Amino acid sequence: GDSVTQMEGPVTLSEEAFLTINCTYTATGYPSLFWYVQYPGEGLQLLLKATKADDKGSNKGFEATYRKETTSFHLEKGSVQVSDSAVYFCALRAGRRALTFGSGTRLQVQP
Amino acid sequence: GAVVSQHPSRVICKSGTSVKIECRSLDFQATTMFWYRQFPKQSLMLMATSNEGSKATYEQGVEKDKFLINHASLTLSTLTVTSAHPEDSSFYICSATDSGGAQETQYFGPGTRLLVL
Repeated sequence: GDSVTQMEGPVTLSEEAFLTINCTYTATGYPSLFWYVQYPGEGLQLLLKATKADDKGSNKGFEATYRKETTSFHLEKGSVQVSDSAVYFCALRAGRRALTFGSGTRLQVQP
Repeated sequence: GAVVSQHPSRVICKSGTSVKIECRSLDFQATTMFWYRQFPKQSLMLMATSNEGSKATYEQGVEKDKFLINHASLTLSTLTVTSAHPEDSSFYICSATDSGGAQETQYFGPGTRLLVL
């Protein structure tokens, strides 16, 4: 079945540091890939997505590129802020099925 | 963007009682809604897929008689936790896809935190 593996957290960074959160997936066919963010006490919000190989999703300074050859969708940001502290979930969706989520990675950004 | 609401946001109940959680799509119609459960510091686990006008499809290991799902309209799905026990305490999240959209984006509700005493 479909699965998503993302790096364990928590990830602790200083403000303005470079962020990478790794995500790899296993799926049949060609899924769409997503990153969701969950801020403390809030629901999930879509951060970015990519629907086909080599697509790059981007939003709020975050980027992720759909790499079919490595089945990866790593999340990156060049300069994190304290306000980016949250839990980040990588997810995939094949067709019209429900999302399959990774385990989540907690990011803590210190001033 | 599309908005999904959940009610209540938080509920505390006694063991043995039933709790109903509502999930509404506020500005779009949703043929399909999904119910997830999230344990502390863990990922979301799909419980069931709710289809308007038909029976829900439950994931393996989820008791359909325990977690009753009703999707009576294109904007409302309900999850009823019957005879709740402390182990049912969790964060329940629904999501919906826009029937008129590209079916790619799921919109999530803010979640309902259930505590069973």
